[in-house]
Amino acid sequence: AQKVTQAQTEISVVEKEDVTLDCVYETRDTTYYLFWYKQPPSGELVFLIRRNSFDEQNEISGRYSWNFQKSTSSFNFTITASQVVDSAVYFCALGQGFSFIFGKGTRLLVKP
Amino acid sequence: EAQVTQNPRYLITVTGKKLTVTCSQNMNHEYMSWYRQDPGLGLRQIYYSMNVEVTDKGDVPEGYKVSRKEKRNFPLILESPSPNQTSLYFCASSFREDYEQYFGPGTRLTVT
Repeated sequence: AQKVTQAQTEISVVEKEDVTLDCVYETRDTTYYLFWYKQPPSGELVFLIRRNSFDEQNEISGRYSWNFQKSTSSFNFTITASQVVDSAVYFCALGQGFSFIFGKGTRLLVKP
Repeated sequence: EAQVTQNPRYLITVTGKKLTVTCSQNMNHEYMSWYRQDPGLGLRQIYYSMNVEVTDKGDVPEGYKVSRKEKRNFPLILESPSPNQTSLYFCASSFREDYEQYFGPGTRLTVT
């Protein structure tokens, strides 16, 4: 069965701290896709990154970085030097074929 | 402007009164999907469509219907709404099922 686990329900940090959001997935397929989305307090869902199962290369985009490890079925997201504007709910998602499974989300609160 | 639109944005209705939530995208995307978001449960896929006249069930399809008669539109139909369908609904589209999804602004539905 496919499953996405975001074990951290809520994380609170002080501005400029680094924070890592964990995502662990389960699948029997060899071809799949992993995504991260951000949902700020305004409610919209914003795409952050996509990774396919054959590309384990880590990625850095500004203060954001992602670590994909197939050996541990994890796709973790790190924010460096967090800012108040990073406060949001972050969702990890697994895509297989035409279906998608989202994790329950991690609420990140960045305090000034 | 590339976008996914949903209407209505807010709806309060009574049990059993049929309703339709419309979804339209202007990006010529093949893939479209409906999700519901409930506190503590993340996003769960209701139905998806790979192309015109091709739809399939997601994880939580009970009580919902969809149709895809035109590429741009993917309405969600609740034939006999019940209080357990009170939720925040998101429509999404993507170029292909393995690409990032663009989400609509959401429809908050309350069934009394």
